[in-house]
Amino acid sequence: RKEVEQDPGPFNVPEGATVAFNCTYSNSASQSFFWYRQDCRKEPKLLMSVYSSGNEDGRFTAQLNRASQYISLLIRDSKLSDSATYLCVVAHNNAGNMLTFGGGTRLMVKP
Amino acid sequence: DTGVSQNPRHKITKRGQNVTFRCDPISEHNRLYWYRQTLGQGPEFLTYFQNEAQLEKSRLLSDRFSAERPKGSFSTLEIQRTEQGDSAMYLCASSLGSQGTGYTFGSGTRLTVV
Repeated sequence: RKEVEQDPGPFNVPEGATVAFNCTYSNSASQSFFWYRQDCRKEPKLLMSVYSSGNEDGRFTAQLNRASQYISLLIRDSKLSDSATYLCVVAHNNAGNMLTFGGGTRLMVKP
Repeated sequence: DTGVSQNPRHKITKRGQNVTFRCDPISEHNRLYWYRQTLGQGPEFLTYFQNEAQLEKSRLLSDRFSAERPKGSFSTLEIQRTEQGDSAMYLCASSLGSQGTGYTFGSGTRLTVV
């Protein structure tokens, strides 16, 4: 079993839709959590960190449930430019800040 | 450009040849990481350096792989006797300390072994 599990998708949604991605992680020692965005054949880029209290950045909202070891990302009013792969990422800060990536969820936003 | 720089961007090599990739991290970042990503998968950790010390290596890093960061600045990743299974995107990233923040990735080196 992978340490970070994501539904690979693809999620095909119309412009303006709200879409949610979920992710589970197996290592309870994980201490930091992130969502990264990766465009086709490009490097991953940090989208946002995820905090236990939940956090929002514009149309993006991330939630963390430590008890269930579950992370979510909600995208509201989706745009064509949101089409990408979204990577769920955890870090164990006592292991050199090494990041462990999920396999990614592909989002396709259509006109 | 103050980002993470990787060279070359693309490399095509014949099976059995040796290849070397270079990564120049953000100058003030003391940690440097190498990851490998194959199609449809997330990046997988290979190794990391704090300054010039290589502190952790994944079991993915076979004996054919070696990484160095001789002066704590740029790093090289060498693959000896390449195999077709080595075809992947090799990503370098850097970060500052262990603040639990995300990394900055370079654009990667795409290796194709034919």
